[in-house]
Amino acid sequence: QKEVEQNSGPLSVPEGAIASLNCTYSDRGSQSFFWYRQYSGKSPELIMSIYSNGDKEDGRFTAQLNKASQYVSLLIRDSQPSDSATYLCAVNEDSGYSTLTFGKGTMLLVSP
Amino acid sequence: DTGVSQNPRHKITKRGQNVTFRCDPISEHNRLYWYRQTLGQGPEFLTYFQNEAQLEKSRLLSDRFSAERPKGSFSTLEIQRTEQGDSAMYLCASSPGQRQETQYFGPGTRLLVL
Repeated sequence: QKEVEQNSGPLSVPEGAIASLNCTYSDRGSQSFFWYRQYSGKSPELIMSIYSNGDKEDGRFTAQLNKASQYVSLLIRDSQPSDSATYLCAVNEDSGYSTLTFGKGTMLLVSP
Repeated sequence: DTGVSQNPRHKITKRGQNVTFRCDPISEHNRLYWYRQTLGQGPEFLTYFQNEAQLEKSRLLSDRFSAERPKGSFSTLEIQRTEQGDSAMYLCASSPGQRQETQYFGPGTRLLVL
């Protein structure tokens, strides 16, 4: 059974700090990795996607992937109170079908 | 590009009743997915369409659940004889149909079974 593990949190950081969110996955065949942000009562919104080992930066967000360690992370620089949400890690086996396996999410709280 | 839409946004029903939800994907997206999310959990995959063909179903999808995408455009998800355990957010997502692609989620339908 494919599993995606995340610390449920909450992760509390002060405004302006770097928030670090982590995710591990069990399926070594996984090829595509996504971070979604979900505000309470809303649907998931894509933040980042990453497919190759290393770092990928987009504005204040950096995704990091290490396939050997089966580990993916999301760094949020200069955290803002508006970043307070649940961050979902999702993994795609990319075997021809594209179903996503999600973690339970990590709640991030950014205090002013 | 209007995004994925879902209707209704909220549904309250009594146990034993049937409910149907609709999803309209982003135009020209040929893949459509249904997920279910309960409080404190990540979305769980239910089923997946490539155009009008239903290609994969999760074991979570009991016989009371049925999904269709008759013309390869919108999709419906029907739950028969609802149970209180069916209370959840039902999410629809669509994608263009390419490798390493992103799924875009609709706003969801929140179901409460009394």
